[in-house]
Amino acid sequence: QVQLQESGPGLVKPSQTLSLTCTVSGGSIKSGSYYWSWIRQPAGKGLEWIGRIYTSGSTNYNPSLKSRVTISVDTSKNQFSLKLTSVTAADTAVYYCARSEFYYYGMDVWGQGTTVTVSS
Amino acid sequence: EIVLTQSPDTLSLSPGERATLSCRASQSVGSIYLLWYKHQPGQAPRLLIYGASTRATGIPDRFSGSGSGTDFTLTISRLEPEDFAVYYCQVYGPSDYTFGQGTKLEIK
Repeated sequence: QVQLQESGPGLVKPSQTLSLTCTVSGGSIKSGSYYWSWIRQPAGKGLEWIGRIYTSGSTNYNPSLKSRVTISVDTSKNQFSLKLTSVTAADTAVYYCARSEFYYYGMDVWGQGTTVTVSS
Repeated sequence: EIVLTQSPDTLSLSPGERATLSCRASQSVGSIYLLWYKHQPGQAPRLLIYGASTRATGIPDRFSGSGSGTDFTLTISRLEPEDFAVYYCQVYGPSDYTFGQGTKLEIK
């Protein structure tokens, strides 16, 4: 079955760029009709959807983050990535990647999450 | 952009009791797009319900979803110890996903 695993630096300095990768195993990222999303949860707060990339390569982003977010896919590595620029302490959170299937829409496969702290 | 408001923020119940969680949308939502998740500390969220009322794979039948339009409900018929967690509703949109703020289900 498909599994997801997030990776990337656990500590990022303010004003720098946060970069995370989600590696897909047990299936091809380019097969089927799937959305590949990033979600985050600051400590003590709820889930916040960051953005998604579709199998076709089209992307959608949370309007509140759109100016700072880029999600891309590397099919050769079976990975998709998140870049968040100009980070502040407010971007400190647990970051999850997740998969959802077109037409069913629910995020049925999730990574375990990775904690990113923004601090100097 | 659709806003989802969940109620109550916290629900205190005992094992064996029935839990009813509400999710209200700021505008009408197609049922196919309404989802529910369970989130336990230190774990990834888990999909419970899709299409407003269809249980995801492996979800026990004590979980049920209902509703249409702007009002949706997640019901847990008889609470088990492992059901105490935070529950989120979510809606899929053509250009985004939106989560509700969550309902914390705690042991009374």
